[in-house]
Amino acid sequence: GAGVSQSPRYKVAKRGQDVALRCDPISGHVSLFWYQQALGQGPEFLTYFQNEAQLDKSGLPSDRFFAERPEGSVSTLKIQRTQQEDSAVYLCASSLPANTEAFFGQGTRLTVV
Amino acid sequence: GNSVTQMEGPVTLSEEAFLTINCTYTATGYPSLFWYVQYPGEGLQLLLKATKADDKGSNKGFEATYRKETTSFHLEKGSVQVSDSAVYFCALWRNTDKLIFGTGTRLQVFP
Repeated sequence: GAGVSQSPRYKVAKRGQDVALRCDPISGHVSLFWYQQALGQGPEFLTYFQNEAQLDKSGLPSDRFFAERPEGSVSTLKIQRTQQEDSAVYLCASSLPANTEAFFGQGTRLTVV
Repeated sequence: GNSVTQMEGPVTLSEEAFLTINCTYTATGYPSLFWYVQYPGEGLQLLLKATKADDKGSNKGFEATYRKETTSFHLEKGSVQVSDSAVYFCALWRNTDKLIFGTGTRLQVFP
């Protein structure tokens, strides 16, 4: 596609529910990143894939957060047993391997009530 | 570790005023430096970048120069417009590490 696509754009979850957020990167982009952006803050790194390999997951805040990219293209960020502090915008970005420009999707705004 | 520090906002200016948003970084080696912009209701967009010392990135009238001696990458524009109102993020990226952002600076431009 023309850009990074994320779905859904908005998600409201009851506390304790599981959610799955999808990211479709730009075709051909090897690298894929997930970020969490709390209100009024800068994006905070969650995890990074190169193709299907998850090379860095140091930013995942707890074991309730899980990300996958099984075929090296679409990625899913899953949050189990959501808590209120998980409310944020989740951003996905993709880039070519040797190119340091990352292209961001519009994000998924998650609200846990 | 690697980090980015940028000035607190909001920055409030009248149209046609001169803009500076300060950004300093801490990193080993030679990171690439970026400014991203987030307009209301939209996603992050790359505004400009510089990949080595003394490089100047520029776009849409905005400029920033990669200063290794002061570890800075300040964003400037000579004459801001109302349409420049947005949140601006300074960021660095070193090798295959992740993109690291500052906390953002909100710019409000009034007519």
